[in-house]
Amino acid sequence: KAGVTQTPRYLIKTRGQQVTLSCSPISGHRSVSWYQQTPGQGLQFLFEYFSETQRNKGNFPGRFSGRQFSNSRSEMNVSTLELGDSALYLCASSDRSGGETQYFGPGTRLLVL
Amino acid sequence: GQQLNQSPQSMFIQEGEDVSMNCTSSSIFNTWLWYKQDPGEGPVLLIALYKAGELTSNGRLTAQFGITRKDSFLNISASIPSDVGIYFCAGNSGGSNYKLTFGKGTLLTVNP
Repeated sequence: KAGVTQTPRYLIKTRGQQVTLSCSPISGHRSVSWYQQTPGQGLQFLFEYFSETQRNKGNFPGRFSGRQFSNSRSEMNVSTLELGDSALYLCASSDRSGGETQYFGPGTRLLVL
Repeated sequence: GQQLNQSPQSMFIQEGEDVSMNCTSSSIFNTWLWYKQDPGEGPVLLIALYKAGELTSNGRLTAQFGITRKDSFLNISASIPSDVGIYFCAGNSGGSNYKLTFGKGTLLTVNP
C-alpha cells in the first residue's frame, strides 16, 4: 500500500496570507490527524478527523482549521499567517476508529516571512 | 494536561553499543508508540504497545509497556550508523481522546 502523502512538501508564505495543506491517508484508513512540529514545542496535536467529522481538537487558535472529504483525504487551512506558524506540519492516518496507531506522512515544511 | 518526559535528550555512542531510552507519563496511557524521525521526514513507526507489561521486538529494537501504564522504554542492540536520528515516544489515553501525546525526543548519534 502507498503511504501517507502530503502536498506540497515545501511552502513559503508571507505574514497575513493563508495556506492550505493537503493529506491523503493510507488506502482504507478513515482517521486523519494533524500535528505541528517546531524545535521549541516539539510535536503538538492540531485536530483529528474520522468519517468527515472532527473528533478532537488541540489548543490552537481558530486560525487553524481543517476538513475531511468523503474519500478520507484531508486539508488543513491556516489563515492570517504569523511568523510563529513556521513549522513542519505532519499528517498521520490510522485504520482504527480510536486513531491509536498512527502512520505519518513526510510533512509540509511551511516558512512564513 | 498530559505530559511525557523522555530521556535522555541526546546520546552519543559507538557503533555496536546497546542503547536504552525511556518515557514516563503523568497519567495512564492505553497505548505506547515509538517512532524514529530522520531530518526533513515524518516520524516512522517502530513499535506499538497495547497492553501493560507487553514486551515487543522489531529486529534489534525492543520496547516494553510499563506495568504501571505510565512508562515505556526502548532498547536498541548492537547499534549501527543508520540508527542515527531522533526517537520519539508517544502515548494515547484512549476513550474519546484521539490524540497522541509526544515526548520531546532523544537524539541518537552513532560513531562508526
